[in-house]
Amino acid sequence: EAGVAQSPRYKIIEKRQSVAFWCNPISGHATLYWYQQILGQGPKLLIQFQNNGVVDDSQLPKDRFSAERLKGVDSTLKIQPAKLEDSAVYLCASSLAEPSPEQFFGPGTRLTVL
Amino acid sequence: AQKVTQAQTEISVVEKEDVTLDCVYETRDTTYYLFWYKQPPSGELVFLIRRNSFDEQNEISGRYSWNFQKSTSSFNFTITASQVVDSAVYFCALSEARGTGFQKLVFGTGTRLLVSP
Repeated sequence: EAGVAQSPRYKIIEKRQSVAFWCNPISGHATLYWYQQILGQGPKLLIQFQNNGVVDDSQLPKDRFSAERLKGVDSTLKIQPAKLEDSAVYLCASSLAEPSPEQFFGPGTRLTVL
Repeated sequence: AQKVTQAQTEISVVEKEDVTLDCVYETRDTTYYLFWYKQPPSGELVFLIRRNSFDEQNEISGRYSWNFQKSTSSFNFTITASQVVDSAVYFCALSEARGTGFQKLVFGTGTRLLVSP
């Protein structure tokens, strides 16, 4: 069974530029999550989708971050414009809606903002 | 509010030593799940174990064992006879079991384990 796919793996941009990350969850997983992991910290949830609907985006900086999951499968996370403090690893995870609460993580995208 | 505390920032051991990683959590819910994830240098989070709040049985899987104590809100992880390949950052996490089945993971800050030969 294929795992969670993410691309790109690495991205370097300058501040004020835009960037987008892509995630394809495990087949059949209805729930998709985007986490931000700053160096030395644990991952922090940015947004959670159930199929193509948003369940929780309370920690998403909506003035610059946006995410969509239009067909309920793959998802895109965008940052526009990027700031220095956005440098982090962006992790995508997916899980079955229920009953198992395990989340399976992709390899992440390491973003460096210069 | 949910919170997970991993007080040990970094632990260094020599191969074959036993090591315990501590995890203390806070939640107001009576139904919740606890997890341990491993993050090797490659960066991908690897699921190790899940425990629900109603199951306080300790679990052993090979060299790994977990001790869940609701009375002290702790979910500690022990590696027996550590190996160099165990070197990684280990995260403890907590999630609520919502009625709709949706879950949100709250992670601790992680413990970096260094196992030297």
